Amino acid sequence: SAVISQKPSRDICQRGTSLTIQCQVDSQVTMMFWYRQQPGQSLTLIATANQGSEATYESGFVIDKFPISRPNLTFSTLTVSNMSPEDSSIYLCSVEDVTGETQYFGPGTRLLVL
Amino acid sequence: AQTVTQSQPEMSVQEAETVTLSCTYDTSESDYYLFWYKQPPSRQMILVIRQEAYKQQNATENRFSVNFQKAAKSFSLKISDSQLGDAAMYFCAYRSAVSGYSTLTFGKGTMLLVSP
Repeated sequence: SAVISQKPSRDICQRGTSLTIQCQVDSQVTMMFWYRQQPGQSLTLIATANQGSEATYESGFVIDKFPISRPNLTFSTLTVSNMSPEDSSIYLCSVEDVTGETQYFGPGTRLLVL
Repeated sequence: AQTVTQSQPEMSVQEAETVTLSCTYDTSESDYYLFWYKQPPSRQMILVIRQEAYKQQNATENRFSVNFQKAAKSFSLKISDSQLGDAAMYFCAYRSAVSGYSTLTFGKGTMLLVSP
């Protein structure tokens, strides 16, 4: 499976500010995914990011709030904009394996908004 | 839309014992994949085991095995010879096998506690 890293691993931010989370993969992948895991909850897909095209957002998530970049096949960023305490969550990126059948996850970014 | 249900918010097991975590799902599709992921307190999601719906044989990975009942839409995880390191949140997940549609649907998770 691919080795996935995320930066930062955790952060504490003030409301109204923005944070950009980076996801780096050690091999080229077609699709990357961004998830949110609210405290004590399961994972919810925010968007799917393909290289060279606009990200596809799930219902309830919008580009203005969660802009995503996918400049190449090994890297993606997720920005959490104009943060509020409700954005306090773990944000995880994931990638599919070469078969496109299984997703593997990064270590996550723990965000606390005060 | 597919749904995944994990009816056990928390389970406990003693070291060396066996525990089974339950998962049911709802789908109208005939071809799909099912997964169990483990999330220890450090939060890294780790793939434990996966099952292709077209395979009748239950998947096995060392101490982890599944009981896949397609007609009943049931996908339970059995952990044998439980170890302290197995303590984690376990998530059951579903993925359609339809080409180009890669979304994972997760259950709410089961917290597994392992006692010495």
